[in-house]
Amino acid sequence: GESVGLHLPTLSVQEGDNSIINCAYSNSASDYFIWYKQESGKGPQFIIDIRSNMDKRQGQRVTVLLNKTVKHLSLQIAATQPGDSAVYFCAVSGLFGGGNKLTFGTGTQLKVEL
Amino acid sequence: DSGVTQTPKHLITATGQRVTLRCSPRSGDLSVYWYQQSLDQGLQFLIQYYNGEERAKGNILERFSAQQFPDLHSELNLSSLELGDSALYFCASSLQGYTDTQYFGPGTRLTVL
Repeated sequence: GESVGLHLPTLSVQEGDNSIINCAYSNSASDYFIWYKQESGKGPQFIIDIRSNMDKRQGQRVTVLLNKTVKHLSLQIAATQPGDSAVYFCAVSGLFGGGNKLTFGTGTQLKVEL
Repeated sequence: DSGVTQTPKHLITATGQRVTLRCSPRSGDLSVYWYQQSLDQGLQFLIQYYNGEERAKGNILERFSAQQFPDLHSELNLSSLELGDSALYFCASSLQGYTDTQYFGPGTRLTVL
């Protein structure tokens, strides 16, 4: 199986600063990693993903870093904006157990202060 | 908008009752997944269907069942409802298998009184 943990339940940042949200996973066979953003009352929204053959992937204002050695994943948001306020989940998947079992972390609440 | 639709948006019912939640995947997606989100348990994977067949099972209670129809829409049936079943239920879909991104619907909020 897999367990996923986040380092901080809440993160407060100033508007314009960079945000870093961390995640740790347990199963070394995990090979697909996703970050989701969930706003209040909505479903999780895909932000960015990375596969185990990479250690960094960049999107628009977001970067995901993967360290397979220590089984650690992070999401970096550049120039954080008020619209980035949400709960961020990392999710991990692999071919263990059959199918596509996404295991979610507990979520980090990102608060952007003006 | 992810392209995944779920109905109803809200559902209020009593203990012991049975309800059905419906999900339509994104156009072209063959896999459908169901998740339960509660305050104390977070997002929990329940079950996956691929092209009409059950592919993977998570922490799904025996009182819960699901199916995927030939048109690829899916239904999650919850029976003998208990207070603790109150939660948000999300459906997600992906193209095929586990390396494909899952896109989530807006969810159904179930309240059991």
